[in-house]
This record gives sequence, C-alpha cells and structure tokens, in this order.
Amino acid sequence: NAGVTQTPKFQVLKTGQSMTLQCAQDMNHNSMYWYRQDPGMGLRLIYYSASEGTTDKGEVPNGYNVSRLNKREFSLRLESAAPSQTSVYFCAARLFGNGDTQYFGPGTRLTVL
Amino acid sequence: DQQVKQNSPSLSVQEGRISILNCDYTNSMFDYFLWYKKYPAEGPTFLISISSIKDKNEDGRFTVFLNKSAKHLSLHIVPSQPGDSAVYFCAARGSGGYQKVTFGTGTKLQVIP
Repeated sequence: NAGVTQTPKFQVLKTGQSMTLQCAQDMNHNSMYWYRQDPGMGLRLIYYSASEGTTDKGEVPNGYNVSRLNKREFSLRLESAAPSQTSVYFCAARLFGNGDTQYFGPGTRLTVL
Repeated sequence: DQQVKQNSPSLSVQEGRISILNCDYTNSMFDYFLWYKKYPAEGPTFLISISSIKDKNEDGRFTVFLNKSAKHLSLHIVPSQPGDSAVYFCAARGSGGYQKVTFGTGTKLQVIP
C-alpha cells in the first residue's frame, strides 16, 4: 500500500517547455488535489478534483491544466513552463466522509530555467 | 489575501519544554481546522484536527485549542522532543464536503536536545 505516489521526484525545464506531473493513489479516495509550496507562501491549491470526472480551479490555476484520468490518477500539466512555476508540487488525496484529512505524496521539485 | 496566518516563521524550544504554535484566521465561515507536520523532502502528514463546535482536542502529546471569538487556534506539544522538529502548517476548511482547504504559511519548529 503505497498511499500517494508522484513522478518524477525532480525535474528541470527550460522556459517554454511542457511537462506533465503524475500522481496516483491506491487508497480509493474520492478527492484529489494539486498544491504548490513556495518559501513564505505555504501550500497553495492549484486545482482539485472532488470526484472522478470533475475538476475545479483552486487559488493559483493560471498556467496549469489537470486531468482526472480515473479514480486513481490525477495529472498536472504545464503547457509552457515559466520561471515563476519553479516550486515544489504536492499531490494529495482525501476520502469524503473521513473528516478533512488529506494524504500527501512526497512531492516533485520543479525548476524552470 | 491570506485567510490563514501563521505569524511566527520559526520557533526554538528546549527538549522537554512546551512548544506553542499559533494560527489566526479571518474567514468566519471556516468550520474545521487541521494541523499538518512536514519534514524536509517529504509531503505533509496529518497531525490533529478540531471542529468549530469544540474548543479543545487532545491526542497524546498534542493538543489543539480553538478560540472562535478571537479567530485563533494554537497547537501545544508537551513535552517537546527532537523528532518534533519540522514545519507545522495550520489549515482551515469551510462548510461542505468538497470545500477547499486553506493552508497557512507554516512555522518551522526546532527542538533543541
């Protein structure tokens, strides 16, 4: 039982390149989330998916797209990376009805040059 | 507009003493509050939570206090241990099952042996 897994762990991109961050959970949780963590800013919600087939914007969605491929997987895509997107990205999963505990993946550290 | 504020970026405490981490919020619609702990290079992990209908919740060495009139909550760790050294995030949720969770900026706790 791996919980929430994220790939890759590290990535360096050049400005304008695209990439997809992958997230998968094996806990059968309904909701999934993407956050970014920046120094002095805490965790900010980019997008979330309340259930399979639905996605909604969070606080900082600009420059990102998401896909809830199935109940297990929730991917985050950067179409044209910018230096401002240099951050640590965390995926999380939450089971509706289980309070609000979110289970986080280990993170992806992304640098955009 | 930072709706959840942790005004102390860092805190140092001697081993065995009490650690008190503070959090203020501005949105009166928040009805559920959580604390997460984060070690370097790992995702945040859930620590303790409290509903707005309570003013205290205890779990072992960890106690969370909620003062709704002051829109303030605090996390007490007694006694503090070196393994408690981490970044602590306060988080708050509005009513409804799929409401977004808003995180504070975090407080880095160092417990000195």
